[in-house]
Amino acid sequence: SQQGEEDPQALSIQEGENATMNCSYKTSINNLQWYRQNSGRGLVHLILIRSNEREKHSGRLRVTLDTSKKSSSLLITASRAADTASYFCATDSLNTDKLIFGTGTRLQVFP
Amino acid sequence: EPEVTQTPSHQVTQMGQEVILRCVPISNHLYFYWYRQILGQKVEFLVSFYNNEISEKSEIFDDQFSVERPDGSNFTLKIRSTKLEDSAMYFCASSETDWGPPQHFGDGTRLSIL
Repeated sequence: SQQGEEDPQALSIQEGENATMNCSYKTSINNLQWYRQNSGRGLVHLILIRSNEREKHSGRLRVTLDTSKKSSSLLITASRAADTASYFCATDSLNTDKLIFGTGTRLQVFP
Repeated sequence: EPEVTQTPSHQVTQMGQEVILRCVPISNHLYFYWYRQILGQKVEFLVSFYNNEISEKSEIFDDQFSVERPDGSNFTLKIRSTKLEDSAMYFCASSETDWGPPQHFGDGTRLSIL
């Protein structure tokens, strides 16, 4: 798989449920970031986790990073209809600040 | 909260024409980027820019592309002779430093080449 592959590709849940999205990458990273994209809009930064961190929280978001498995997960707790969007992981590496994006997970939260 | 702003939101251009996409990064940011997203595909890096010069560019960023910071606030992407395959959403981003703070993205310019 390419750098930054998310799974599942699509996820549908009811409001109040938790949503978990996963991201795998291939090369060593410096940081991993999660972004949200509403349909037809730009990318909104959600959370950044550095390669020496294992877990990070921000509000209803929880991100984990396992560098030995080259994977990360994004958990959205108590989801809301407004969380409906595509979610992307993006990595950067040493000696470069360009972001490499994954394919994204389309999350649909039904009220 | 400060934002990256991009204009226009939608640009329709005939194939072969030049197009300039404009961006106003967040005012205290020093690092600037362009990315593009072809419909249904991944967001792809085009170029990064720091201290008035390109610091990195991708294979996509060929001689038809150029970037400029013509004044203290604007950051532009020019495509000299557009092709059909340049149709995409183009995103500008900026960051304070290059060592990890997030890149903040604008809402993008949808470029349609006819």
